[in-house]
Amino acid sequence: GAVVSQHPSWVICKSGTSVKIECRSLDFQATTMFWYRQFPKQSLMLMATSNEGSKATYEQGVEKDKFLINHASLTLSTLTVTSAHPEDSSFYICSARDLVAGGKGNEQFFGPGTRLTVL
Amino acid sequence: GQQLNQSPQSMFIQEGEDVSMNCTSSSIFNTWLWYKQDPGEGPVLLIALYKAGELTSNGRLTAQFGITRKDSFLNISASIPSDVGIYFCAGQLKGGSNYKLTFGKGTLLTVNP
Repeated sequence: GAVVSQHPSWVICKSGTSVKIECRSLDFQATTMFWYRQFPKQSLMLMATSNEGSKATYEQGVEKDKFLINHASLTLSTLTVTSAHPEDSSFYICSARDLVAGGKGNEQFFGPGTRLTVL
Repeated sequence: GQQLNQSPQSMFIQEGEDVSMNCTSSSIFNTWLWYKQDPGEGPVLLIALYKAGELTSNGRLTAQFGITRKDSFLNISASIPSDVGIYFCAGQLKGGSNYKLTFGKGTLLTVNP
């Protein structure tokens, strides 16, 4: 249980294009999903918190107009990197919090990540 | 954002040895989590801790939630080659309504067969 998938697993795009990344909770419902970015040899940095049916909450320094987040259902959140540039190249990882909580509701289960390379 | 102080940054050990790593914070947490990340993969949850003083095991892994709520450690006993990876601690800020996590910088573990 508690499986989270991401699609695509990797993407290469030209500078100026937009890229959409999907995050799905496969066997549980997630009212809250999180989007992280991880640069090589660094830790995960939270970009935004996505709640189903409402606007995402962005961390300080993250441009909401550049990183568009949509959480349309309890099992799907999408991150769109608009007008991507080489400095946006990174490993993007989502996580989901289990609504029902086999544990105590505080665990986050992570997707396998999406490697974005902007040329 | 805030980051936890995780140490050591890296460890090189022989197979069979025990390993210990820890995290400290200036802030109180009400949940501590330990994750393992393999290259090119997302983090996998190892252990979750919910109460100060709690000691929890998962196979060869043991983790404790510090009494002060500002620290946690993870021990791995009798290490094996597949333990190689990056281990991250993560704390949930006390009073947070959206359960967001703050991550440590990670401990890179290398196990020599």
